[in-house]
Amino acid sequence: DTAVSQTPKYLVTQMGNDKSIKCEQNLGHDTMYWYKQDSKKFLKIMFSYNNKELIINETVPNRFSPKSPDKAHLNLHINSLELGDSAVYFCASSQVGAGYSENTQYFGPGTRLTVL
Amino acid sequence: GDSVTQMEGPVTLSEEAFLTINCTYTATGYPSLFWYVQYPGEGLQLLLKATKADDKGSNKGFEATYRKETTSFHLEKGSVQVSDSAVYFCALSDLGAQKLVFGQGTRLTINP
Repeated sequence: DTAVSQTPKYLVTQMGNDKSIKCEQNLGHDTMYWYKQDSKKFLKIMFSYNNKELIINETVPNRFSPKSPDKAHLNLHINSLELGDSAVYFCASSQVGAGYSENTQYFGPGTRLTVL
Repeated sequence: GDSVTQMEGPVTLSEEAFLTINCTYTATGYPSLFWYVQYPGEGLQLLLKATKADDKGSNKGFEATYRKETTSFHLEKGSVQVSDSAVYFCALSDLGAQKLVFGQGTRLTINP
């Protein structure tokens, strides 16, 4: 009955490789997000999608490409991985729309990416 | 832009001590405010929230009150336990922006 799930939990890869992280939510939410947590635990928004439409792209390098095949899934593909991409990546979801006065986001367990 | 500032950590307390973690924010609108907790090796869990001025969020013995006049949302607990050891994040959400803006996190360690 996991609400927001991510795969894989750990990802170790070499510089220059291409990798993907998958996220799925079963909460029926219309908006999904990717956040990056750096080594100092600082969390920052990368992308958000509402009903499969890109809403936020926070000056993320274009090596990062999110894809939302449907509103329950938001995947993150990273090309030409660099050392600085090592971080924990969190997926989240929320319901944002008419009649909703807040934006409570629910997070997945995170994917720890290590680039060697 | 919107921002959140938390007290510097790490914070170390003894079991049953009183806890306060300060959080102040800057926002142009009327944001919702949140506290999230990250236990070692785990993801972020919503701890509590408040959506308008003077609202009090509470959960698991933790409380925080949305203070518009001081732009603050301090987290408190009367008697902490070893199991409360974690990193705590204050965050705000401006509905129009559709994103969470996080503070830098405060690492809390409770010693038995």
